[in-house]
Amino acid sequence: QVQLVQSGAEVKKPGTSVKVSCKASGYTFSSYGISWVRQAPGQGLEWMGWISAYNGNTNYAPKFRGRVTITTDTSATTVNMELRSLRSDDTAVYYCARDYSNSHAGFLGLWGRGTLVTVSS
Amino acid sequence: EIVMTQSPATLSMSPGERATLSCRASQSIDSNLAWYQQKPGQVVRLLMYGASTRATGIPARFSGSGSGTEFTLTISSLQSEDFAVYYCQHYNNWLWTFGQGTKVEIK
Repeated sequence: QVQLVQSGAEVKKPGTSVKVSCKASGYTFSSYGISWVRQAPGQGLEWMGWISAYNGNTNYAPKFRGRVTITTDTSATTVNMELRSLRSDDTAVYYCARDYSNSHAGFLGLWGRGTLVTVSS
Repeated sequence: EIVMTQSPATLSMSPGERATLSCRASQSIDSNLAWYQQKPGQVVRLLMYGASTRATGIPARFSGSGSGTEFTLTISSLQSEDFAVYYCQHYNNWLWTFGQGTKVEIK
């Protein structure tokens, strides 16, 4: 079964870091890129960044550059997203999403169910 | 950064009606546009890419059009399962952005 399974909810204090994982299964992991998208409470979707599972190349949204790192663990078919220097407005559901096409990045055809990250003192 | 603007914010419709959702890009994105559907408690679903190509398994009542800066998602006859929030997203360069969403609600 083709799916992305994300790690569980996190509660963090301001100034700390969080790492969210996304376990892929049911397809050739290295053939597709993975994005991270977040959604603050009651808000829309916000793209954070993308990684090629083939070679580890990354692209990050300017807003998050320097504060987010996306990595792959090919042996575990897992993509990780670390967000540092957390603030209260980082409270959101974080989704991983796979490219729909293995030849064209950008449109996201397989989504995880999301991981709630709450930042609170 | 390319800004994606969706209108209206909310669309109040009855089942069976035709729904037209708009998405505008702040600069040309050719046809590098996708549409997504989000329903509470469900996984986000890709509806359309390349502005007008339906993703696998998407019913024919969904259609997309447009290029450049103006795009439209049309649902020809609303079914009960279509009441949801819809997002457009461009992928014209490596700085992808989403619109703020259009909620299609039951009138």
